[in-house]
Amino acid sequence: NAGVMQNPRHLVRRRGQEARLRCSPMKGHSHVYWYRQLPEEGLKFMVYLQKENIIDESGMPKERFSAEFPKEGPSILRIQQVVRGDSAAYFCASSFRTGSSTDTQYFGPGTRLTVL
Amino acid sequence: GEDVEQSLFLSVREGDSSVINCTYTDSSSTYLYWYKQEPGAGLQLLTYIFSNMDMKQDQRLTVLLNKKDKHLSLRIADTQTGDSAIYFCAESISGGYNKLIFGAGTRLAVHP
Repeated sequence: NAGVMQNPRHLVRRRGQEARLRCSPMKGHSHVYWYRQLPEEGLKFMVYLQKENIIDESGMPKERFSAEFPKEGPSILRIQQVVRGDSAAYFCASSFRTGSSTDTQYFGPGTRLTVL
Repeated sequence: GEDVEQSLFLSVREGDSSVINCTYTDSSSTYLYWYKQEPGAGLQLLTYIFSNMDMKQDQRLTVLLNKKDKHLSLRIADTQTGDSAIYFCAESISGGYNKLIFGAGTRLAVHP
């Protein structure tokens, strides 16, 4: 039973390019969370999605960032026109049940984005 | 507001006990978690405690919760070099789904 998978593990982009980060949740999980970890900081919530729905995007920057979790395929976090301040580790987590506060989140290994 | 605070660094000798402390602000938190992050890796769930409990023990790990003071601690008995990592405290915010608020992490260094 594979865990949460993220790819790529490392991504380098030049300023102004687009970054696409992928997350495949654990088998049977239909709830996905994205978090960002800046250097020397804790993880900050970005967005919570269920299949085909964005439930809470209160942690997403208003511009350039978007997320989706289609019916088929992985969840995608897209960052358009990246800037140096976007350099961070982006973690995806998935959970199984109803997405309630009793749900345990299982984290992927993260994608480390470096913007040159 | 929602905030979780931890001390940033802890150094212990191999074989000693480690105690990592955390304070949180949201009194409606339902669960509190401890995650471990090794260099270059994702987060590994170590243990969690429900907010109506005072203590939870799991092998070498003991979690203590003081709900009145909003203080959480993680004690690692017989600390080993393999325990060297960053430990994150997190609280789940009530509201129907499990949005986690993390502290900045405590870097634990274990030396011989």
